[in-house]
Amino acid sequence: EPEVTQTPSHQVTQMGQEVILRCVPISNHLYFYWYRQILGQKVEFLVSFYNNEISEKSEIFDDQFSVERPDGSNFTLKIRSTKLEDSAMYFCASGTNHFATEAFFGQGTRLTVV
Amino acid sequence: KQEVTQIPAALSVPEGENLVLNCSFTDSAIYNLQWFRQDPGKGLTSLLLIQSSQREQTSGRLNASLDKSSGRSTLYIAASQPGDSATYLCAAPPEYGNKLVFGAGTILRVKS
Repeated sequence: EPEVTQTPSHQVTQMGQEVILRCVPISNHLYFYWYRQILGQKVEFLVSFYNNEISEKSEIFDDQFSVERPDGSNFTLKIRSTKLEDSAMYFCASGTNHFATEAFFGQGTRLTVV
Repeated sequence: KQEVTQIPAALSVPEGENLVLNCSFTDSAIYNLQWFRQDPGKGLTSLLLIQSSQREQTSGRLNASLDKSSGRSTLYIAASQPGDSATYLCAAPPEYGNKLVFGAGTILRVKS
């Protein structure tokens, strides 16, 4: 069964460093999302992406964050200068339509900023 | 703005019990609602997707109901097993916007 793949599963980075979290969506999917979950807190929406542009972003998704679909298969989330409070589990999701409830989630990347 | 609330926050039951997890949402103009399972430190496993036109959706021992008019959904787990121990998350879309709004979850522990 096709699945959304995220790499790495766990990344440790120093505060101030740039990180890129990678996602390989299911191949025929056109709608892409990033969510994050700080330990012990709710899963929060970050950004949705369709047709090579951001459809919607939350107030969390500030100038430190960017998304890209560099090669038509990968979907990346970049954090320019990480802060301690960026430590979280980051989930990628992809779907065939604009119904976010019908998107498939990856297993997440745990980002630890030290 | 959609807000999703789940009660109880935690639940501990002996094996074999039937149990109900509750989810409420403020924006009732939803097209569907989704229940997830999350094991500690792991990803999100979709359990049930219930459409706004449906009142119930079943998968094995799980049954989800949806009442849009009251802004509520319930997840019923029959004959609970220790392997059901996990956090159960409810998520609904807002009226406008393409995203999921998650509840804080119910942490379930089924004791053997």
